Amino acid sequence: DQQVKQNSPSLSVQEGRISILNCDYTNSMFDYFLWYKKYPAEGPTFLISISSIKDKNEDGRFTVFLNKSAKHLSLHIVPSQPGDSAVYFCAASEGSQGNLIFGKGTKLSVKP
Amino acid sequence: EAGVTQFPSHSVIEKGQTVTLRCDPISGHDNLYWYRRVMGKEIKFLLHFVKESKQDESGMPNNRFLAERTGGTYSTLKVQPAELEDSGVYFCASSQDLTAAVEAFFGQGTRLTVV
Repeated sequence: DQQVKQNSPSLSVQEGRISILNCDYTNSMFDYFLWYKKYPAEGPTFLISISSIKDKNEDGRFTVFLNKSAKHLSLHIVPSQPGDSAVYFCAASEGSQGNLIFGKGTKLSVKP
Repeated sequence: EAGVTQFPSHSVIEKGQTVTLRCDPISGHDNLYWYRRVMGKEIKFLLHFVKESKQDESGMPNNRFLAERTGGTYSTLKVQPAELEDSGVYFCASSQDLTAAVEAFFGQGTRLTVV
């Protein structure tokens, strides 16, 4: 029973365009959400986070949107670059101190 | 600054054998996490240390898994005896931020294959 779902296993985007990665969750107790990026043979790298008291957090080209009523969050990358090609994991936790529940990941390919 | 380091990077063992994975967190990081990714599935939490104490070990699959963090520095994860379903990539992560401990730095992982 997955509590964090990433329903798109892959996404292909043209360089310079927007990449939108989606994530849904079922546990209403989650109040901290994160996105991690992972290259092959490396560990996940923290990208950006958002707490449930916000609906948007922006860091450079990366913006995370949170829709609590829909239990949905998304990661926008604008503009997309070939170096952004990686697997992106959505994760959630109850509080900012606990363990992370990960989705299965979405493989993003940004084509030049 | 050195990142989170895991040893070995790969390990192939036979069913029934023992394997010990090691994680060296970033210096000064009190929080240390172990996660595992089984082929094709999501990354799953195993346990969380705060310094040398186990804060949460609810993700440990069974008593064949033993994690230690003596002295609150490096950590080991021992699997004894290993079973086929233990195969996967084991990640260690560490963090210091007390307000957002989950924003952790991950190691490159140890790929364990049990044959």
